[in-house]
Amino acid sequence: QSALTQPASVSGSPGQSITISCTGTSSDVGSYNFVSWYQQHPGKAPKLMIYEGIKRPSGVSNRFSGSKSDNTASLTISGLQAEDEADYYCSSYAGSSTFVVFGGGTKLTVL
Amino acid sequence: QLQLQESGPGLVKPSETLSLTCTVFGGFITSSSHYWGWIRQPPGKGLEWIGSIYYSGSTYYNPSLRSRLTISIDTSKSQFSLKLSSVTAADTAVYYCARAGTAAVGTDFDSWGQGTLVTVSS
Repeated sequence: QSALTQPASVSGSPGQSITISCTGTSSDVGSYNFVSWYQQHPGKAPKLMIYEGIKRPSGVSNRFSGSKSDNTASLTISGLQAEDEADYYCSSYAGSSTFVVFGGGTKLTVL
Repeated sequence: QLQLQESGPGLVKPSETLSLTCTVFGGFITSSSHYWGWIRQPPGKGLEWIGSIYYSGSTYYNPSLRSRLTISIDTSKSQFSLKLSSVTAADTAVYYCARAGTAAVGTDFDSWGQGTLVTVSS
């Protein structure tokens, strides 16, 4: 059982927007602005898409955005494209004892 | 361009110690702006943070693995290493090494190795 809760799957049609949630607790997501989001295609290493909750690394499309409300962080992908189909994972800092926790992952299907 | 490469045995027997090394190319392992970490992914499952290390040698471990885990760094070889003792089949996974920024012990892994599958089996 993962420390952060994500929906197992989401889907959307090309051009649409989707949002993936990542629910934690007041000990992790709720207390720190250190949520990251990763995209992982089959057989590949994860790729950082969002860090510190809302920041995009250089080279990541501005179609990807992050937000947070209380204990839940969210990743929104606008203008869905076929290449966005992948698994997405969130992670969060969880304090000086636990440090880093991941969500269980969400499979995005582009219909 | 920064590259990370994992190396080590792909097969480990139960109860033995899993040892992996990550070599850093094209970057400075002594950078004060980064942490170096290990993440694993059992086949068909999600990601699990194993632990991270700073160039100074400070280590940060997943509490669930701490009793079996040692992460070390050799700056002269641009390498950091993972040792996980008393392994079982549950430790079978693809093991990734990665680099993170210094915010909050490095939750933002921005460069990853390609991963190496380690199978625990007799």
